Amino acid sequence: DGGITQSPKYLFRKEGQNVTLSCEQNLNHDAMYWYRQDPGQGLRLIYYSQIVNDFQKGDIAEGYSVSREKKESFPLTVTSAQKNPTAFYLCASSTNKYQPQHFGDGTRLSIL
Amino acid sequence: SQQGEEDPQALSIQEGENATMNCSYKTSINNLQWYRQNSGRGLVHLILIRSNEREKHSGRLRVTLDTSKKSSSLLITASRAADTASYFCATDAQAGNNRKLIWGLGTSLAVNP
Repeated sequence: DGGITQSPKYLFRKEGQNVTLSCEQNLNHDAMYWYRQDPGQGLRLIYYSQIVNDFQKGDIAEGYSVSREKKESFPLTVTSAQKNPTAFYLCASSTNKYQPQHFGDGTRLSIL
Repeated sequence: SQQGEEDPQALSIQEGENATMNCSYKTSINNLQWYRQNSGRGLVHLILIRSNEREKHSGRLRVTLDTSKKSSSLLITASRAADTASYFCATDAQAGNNRKLIWGLGTSLAVNP
């Protein structure tokens, strides 16, 4: 079955540590996205990529970094510069940026 | 208030009843999308309605769009306990030459057996 896989499901970060969240899709989608979801809030866009080797900042990119070396993969690194990283992180993909998005089941990141 | 603002924030109904959620927005849109999110899971796309459409159906779901009032509603008929989830609208908004998907805060629906 085609879909998006996010791993790990739960992640803990120590002070000063960078952590990387994995997102893999086998839907052959060109566009991929990273969102942050906080309790009681909607989704906020961190980064998006419309094509391999290209990505753009979203609304809250500070403290995060991404890469898009393969069509299937769009990992997100939460750097130590992100002072409030505790949140639910969702990865999504779509055929192109105008089409509905398919989501993974998220990674919940907490601080130790 | 935000673009793509849903109301009510929370809704509790009995199984078999209908549930109606509303979404208001501010700028012109290309389309409006509704998604469902079960607790602790990712979002699932339900329906996309284009700006030149007024109503769309998918199974027990009915979506309406009133561009003059800049609002949309999602109706779930004959609700089931499995419909318990949060529902989000997302507006594909046009801002100059840019298109942007703007998410609302969601409506939390509880369907009681």
